[in-house]
Amino acid sequence: ILNVEQSPQSLHVQEGDSTNFTCSFPSSNFYALHWYRWETAKSPEALFVMTLNGDEKKKGRISATLNTKEGYSYLYIKGSQPEDSATYLCALPDRGSTLGRLYFGRGTQLTVWP
Amino acid sequence: NAGVTQTPKFQVLKTGQSMTLQCAQDMNHNSMYWYRQDPGMGLRLIYYSASEGTTDKGEVPNGYNVSRLNKREFSLRLESAAPSQTSVYFCASNEPGQGNTEAFFGQGTRLTVV
Repeated sequence: ILNVEQSPQSLHVQEGDSTNFTCSFPSSNFYALHWYRWETAKSPEALFVMTLNGDEKKKGRISATLNTKEGYSYLYIKGSQPEDSATYLCALPDRGSTLGRLYFGRGTQLTVWP
Repeated sequence: NAGVTQTPKFQVLKTGQSMTLQCAQDMNHNSMYWYRQDPGMGLRLIYYSASEGTTDKGEVPNGYNVSRLNKREFSLRLESAAPSQTSVYFCASNEPGQGNTEAFFGQGTRLTVV
């Protein structure tokens, strides 16, 4: 079982603020890390899949970094907009006997106020 | 391209009734999953199937059964529904052995057991 921790649990910011949150995971046996965005009443959708230490991914105003040696990933949102309001999930696939099975953190719920 | 199709979207059951949630994917993925989502708990794995003909328990399997009918379809059955099974259920699929491949989710089923 992979223990995936996300912090903070929730975050409220004003429109235009930049923000970031954290995903922590066991650094041993790292294989890959996924970030998903989950809007209310919709299904989760993948933002990034990260595999290499030092990896940095960017999609518009959202970016992510990865440190596999210390076991954490940061997700950054620059200039938050109300449409960024969602729950952001981090997940790691198992590389043991259940290869590919995803272990999810509990998510960070972001609310951006206009 | 439909991706992951999940039915029904909403369901209300009385305690003790049974029902089956259907899930189908058209991406030729080997792995399929059933998750439940409860407030503050993130996504918890009920059952998963790494390939056609195989199923395994996840974190919260009690009260559920699954069938991997073929490569495309993975159903979740509640034999005798209980109020504790009130939740939002998500089906997902991905490709095992490729941890850098994202998971795709269905639209979710909101189940209420009264």
